[in-house]
Amino acid sequence: DQQVKQNSPSLSVQEGRISILNCDYTNSMFDYFLWYKKYPAEGPTFLISISSIKDKNEDGRFTVFLNKSAKHLSLHIVPSQPGDSAVYFCAASASAGTYKYIFGTGTRLKVLA
Amino acid sequence: AAGVIQSPRHLIKEKRETATLKCYPIPRHDTVYWYQQGPGQDPQFLISFYEKMQSDKGSIPDRFSAQQFSDYHSELNMSSLELGDSALYFCASSPRTSHSYEQYFGPGTRLTVT
Repeated sequence: DQQVKQNSPSLSVQEGRISILNCDYTNSMFDYFLWYKKYPAEGPTFLISISSIKDKNEDGRFTVFLNKSAKHLSLHIVPSQPGDSAVYFCAASASAGTYKYIFGTGTRLKVLA
Repeated sequence: AAGVIQSPRHLIKEKRETATLKCYPIPRHDTVYWYQQGPGQDPQFLISFYEKMQSDKGSIPDRFSAQQFSDYHSELNMSSLELGDSALYFCASSPRTSHSYEQYFGPGTRLTVT
C-alpha cells in the first residue's frame, strides 16, 4: 500500500516556465513533509520542507503548498532551469514518536533549454 | 561543508555471502537512518538509530542487522545475501537534538549480489 504517491513519473517543462510537481498521501497522521532532488549516482538532496501547521513554505525559487483536507502537496519551481532536471521525491513523516520518512515513487523532471 | 560518508561506494557479493556497509554521519548529527532503493523504486526505510539506540524499524529483513557506535557512525550488516538484495543503500543523518526534521543523505552504496 503506497502511502505517498507521485502519480506523474515524468514531467517536461521549458526553461523559464513553472514546474509543478504533485504528491498525494493517504495517512492522515503525516504531519511533516519534505521534498528531495536526486541526480543519478548521488544521494537525495534536501530541498524544502513543510509542517502541517502551514499551508505554504517558500525558499527562493522553490515553494511547497500543502492542502491537508485533500492530502495533497505540490512543489513549484519558478523559474525552471536546466540544472533542475533530476528526479524529485516527496517524503512524509508522522513526526510524533517517529522520524522515519515514507517516500513517494519520484517524478523525473526535465527542463528543456 | 562535510557530508554523510558511505563506504564502500560499490560492492559485489555472491549469494549467501555477507556484506557490511558503513555510514559516517555529518559531524554533530546524532541520528542515522538506512534506506534501500531497488531499481526503479523509491527509497524504503530500513532502520534508524538515535544516540546509539535503535529508534525506528521499517522493512528490514531479519537477515540484516545494524548498529550505531559511540562515534555515531553506523554499520549495516547483511547476511545470507539474496539476489533481491541488489540495490542502492542510502544512509542519512540528522541533528535531531536541534529539532531538525531534515535528513541529509550520503551518496549511497551500490550492492550487487550475483
